[in-house]
Amino acid sequence: EDQVTQSPEALRLQEGESSSLNCSYTVSGLRGLFWYRQDPGKGPEFLFTLYSAGEEKEKERLKATLTKKESFLHITAPKPEDSATYLCAVHFYAGNNRKLIWGLGTSLAVNP
Amino acid sequence: DTGVSQNPRHKITKRGQNVTFRCDPISEHNRLYWYRQTLGQGPEFLTYFQNEAQLEKSRLLSDRFSAERPKGSFSTLEIQRTEQGDSAMYLCASSSGTSLSYNEQFFGPGTRLTVL
Repeated sequence: EDQVTQSPEALRLQEGESSSLNCSYTVSGLRGLFWYRQDPGKGPEFLFTLYSAGEEKEKERLKATLTKKESFLHITAPKPEDSATYLCAVHFYAGNNRKLIWGLGTSLAVNP
Repeated sequence: DTGVSQNPRHKITKRGQNVTFRCDPISEHNRLYWYRQTLGQGPEFLTYFQNEAQLEKSRLLSDRFSAERPKGSFSTLEIQRTEQGDSAMYLCASSSGTSLSYNEQFFGPGTRLTVL
C-alpha cells in the first residue's frame, strides 16, 4: 500500500538542541518529495522539493535530505520561532495515475 | 500581495445551511487545489483544476460539495446542506506545471468552517 509516515508525531527541543524529523514512504515511481511548515491556524508554507536520492537542500537552519525510502529534515540549533508542524508530501505515479500523498506531520516545539 | 488569498477567513453556520468559499490563486499559476484539514491531520485532497477544467475530484467528496473555476482564475467551493462533520479548515493552493509535472503548491491562509 502506498503510504507516507512521519515520525515522531511530536518533538520538544531546547533552543539550540539539533535534531531530525523523518518522512518515510512506501511508494514506487517517486517523482518528488515536498516539505512544508505549518503554523497554527495558517496554511502550509512551502520549504523544499527533493527529486532524487542523494539530493540535499538547505534554508537557514533547515536541511532536507532524501534517500530511496525516506527523507530527513535536519534542524540545526533551533530557535523558538522554528516551532510549527512540519509536513511532507510525496508525488508518485501509480500506473498512469499521478498521486500526491500527505503525511500527518511532526509537531515541533522549541523551548527558549 | 501576490500570494494565494481566501475569503472568508472564518465562517460559522448552522447545520443544513449552504456556504461558499472563494480562493484567488497566484495569478500566473494554472493549477488550483482545494483541501480540507482537521486538527492533527495532513491536508485531505478534495479537488483540482488545471485552468478552468476540473480534472480530479476525490471519491471522498460527497455530492454536497461542488467547485468551480470560471475563466481559469478564482475558484469557489460550495457546500450544500452543511453537516457538523464538515467543520474543518478548507485550504486552497495553487501551482504552475504541465500534465507531467507536480510542482510545489502555495497555500492560502485557509477558511475555518464551524457548523453548529
